[in-house]
Amino acid sequence: GENVEQHPSTLSVQEGDSAVIKCTYSDSASNYFPWYKQELGKRPQLIIDIRSNVGEKKDQRIAVTLNKTAKHFSLHITETQPEDSAVYFCAASLNTGTASKLTFGTGTRLQVTL
Amino acid sequence: KAGVTQTPRYLIKTRGQQVTLSCSPISGHRSVSWYQQTPGQGLQFLFEYFSETQRNKGNFPGRFSGRQFSNSRSEMNVSTLELGDSALYLCASSLMGGNQPQHFGDGTRLSIL
Repeated sequence: GENVEQHPSTLSVQEGDSAVIKCTYSDSASNYFPWYKQELGKRPQLIIDIRSNVGEKKDQRIAVTLNKTAKHFSLHITETQPEDSAVYFCAASLNTGTASKLTFGTGTRLQVTL
Repeated sequence: KAGVTQTPRYLIKTRGQQVTLSCSPISGHRSVSWYQQTPGQGLQFLFEYFSETQRNKGNFPGRFSGRQFSNSRSEMNVSTLELGDSALYLCASSLMGGNQPQHFGDGTRLSIL
């Protein structure tokens, strides 16, 4: 089955700096890659997603890039703010037609310091 | 539009008991997926339901089961509870499943004593 690896497990940046989280996936059939942000004690919140027919997608300070050949995708957060502190999960969806099955990475704990 | 609603938020059970968790998807969403979240294993897929049918299943024992009703609400049942079943159980809904965005509920935190 699909396997998603995520790095780093923890990341500390100063406010205003950029943060990059990287994920690799194993199954070349995967074609949907969402990113979730989970604050302590709260639900995972979808922050951005990308499909395999697109190489990059941006939404204000957040961007995701996808390299299908290398089977990796990355989350980029620019001008980080304290409220960006959370655990971020990448995921990949194996293309099984209509069925949904997200395989998640192990998470990255991002700490934005003042 | 109301989000995904899960009840109850917290549950305490003892080994050997069974438990039923409930999930109401976002209005209009027909696909409901369940995930288990633990510190050690992270987020793991349990199963997905669409139009009252299980469409996909993860690698969990048969003690974990679910169902979906005609109004798309879903329940998950765990029988013969084990200490290792202590986890946050999350439900996510999407319009039709497939590779459409999934939106999570707040989860049910299950503790086994």
